[in-house]
Amino acid sequence: DQQVKQNSPSLSVQEGRISILNCDYTNSMFDYFLWYKKYPAEGPTFLISISSIKDKNEDGRFTVFLNKSAKHLSLHIVPSQPGDSAVYFCAASPTQGGSEKLVFGKGTKLTVNP
Amino acid sequence: DGGITQSPKYLFRKEGQNVTLSCEQNLNHDAMYWYRQDPGQGLRLIYYSQIVNDFQKGDIAEGYSVSREKKESFPLTVTSAQKNPTAFYLCASSLTPGTTEQYFGPGTRLTVT
Repeated sequence: DQQVKQNSPSLSVQEGRISILNCDYTNSMFDYFLWYKKYPAEGPTFLISISSIKDKNEDGRFTVFLNKSAKHLSLHIVPSQPGDSAVYFCAASPTQGGSEKLVFGKGTKLTVNP
Repeated sequence: DGGITQSPKYLFRKEGQNVTLSCEQNLNHDAMYWYRQDPGQGLRLIYYSQIVNDFQKGDIAEGYSVSREKKESFPLTVTSAQKNPTAFYLCASSLTPGTTEQYFGPGTRLTVT
């Protein structure tokens, strides 16, 4: 049973426009969420995170929104750039300070067209 | 220049052979992890270690073994008991077991024929 779901396997947007990547989770115990970016044949790199005590976290062009009641989070990239083309993984953890392992979604492949 | 190294980048083995994947980190991180990625799939946890000389099974540990004799090193052995060993293997580490942010190595693509 998938606890973290990224229902869109792929997304294509034009350079300069907004990219919105979505993630849903089923485990109400999750309270810390992360986004990772992965290029082909490379390891994922940490992008941005959010704790359940917040509903928004912003870092430059990247903003993550969390809707706890809907068990939904989204990553907004504005403006999108061709270098943003990668696979984006959503991950969740029951605690921020605990030793629980991360649970990853299957990823969404973002393509930003020039 | 701190980071996580995995070697080799590509590895080919015959079916029935055990193979060991290397993972080294010089970040002074306590916790280390092994994941497997298959096409169209997310990262699935194989094993993790919170401290030297200790490790726990992840979600898909069958057919794999690990050791953690040194803080810097967390090698993964893919045994002949693993039914579908061909995959992209990723090693990660985090500062402490309680630190959720994990840092990943570049990965090893294992192909077993």
